[in-house]
Amino acid sequence: GAGVSQSPSNKVTEKGKDVELRCDPISGHTALYWYRQSLGQGLEFLIYFQGNSAPDKSGLPSDRFSAERTGGSVSTLTIQRTQQEDSAVYLCASSFPGNTIYFGEGSWLTVV
Amino acid sequence: EDQVTQSPEALRLQEGESSSLNCSYTVSGLRGLFWYRQDPGKGPEFLFTLYSAGEEKEKERLKATLTKKESFLHITAPKPEDSATYLCAVQEGGATNKLIFGTGTLLAVQP
Repeated sequence: GAGVSQSPSNKVTEKGKDVELRCDPISGHTALYWYRQSLGQGLEFLIYFQGNSAPDKSGLPSDRFSAERTGGSVSTLTIQRTQQEDSAVYLCASSFPGNTIYFGEGSWLTVV
Repeated sequence: EDQVTQSPEALRLQEGESSSLNCSYTVSGLRGLFWYRQDPGKGPEFLFTLYSAGEEKEKERLKATLTKKESFLHITAPKPEDSATYLCAVQEGGATNKLIFGTGTLLAVQP
């Protein structure tokens, strides 16, 4: 498809398990972002990639969170030892640098 | 610290009743101000980017304007299908390009 694609769309996991969330950006977009949206909250910045490098990781909430990007394309956000407070929608977005930022539909994570 | 504040938090309009949503911001070096629409269970959908004070952009019943301290999203003669959460975000200057979001305005348009 032409848009930002995220998978899984929904994930229910047990507390303490690890989860991986995947993002396929729009073809050719070198900038990629991860955001988190908790119920009733605004979008919270997590990490920014330019190509395969992450010059801004300032939003990652703890060392349980990590992300990587390979081939200047697909990105994976990993949450280790999930906690209930990690329950949220994780949104991926991409753009050409300095241009319009387009979002995917998000991955809904529920930690039980 | 960069900050974005949107008001009101929620707004209920009758179909055809025009109104405006406000987004006030403080940012060191504004690169752009973005408006998005978000429907329940969906990701944000891009509406507008404004780059400099005095700039205006229109799309159907929506018009966005920008001053040095705030932006307005004017909704003219809204329809029920305009019901959504409207998000405002500022893009910082510098190397990060990240967006700082407000918490949004939940708009409900009743027929």
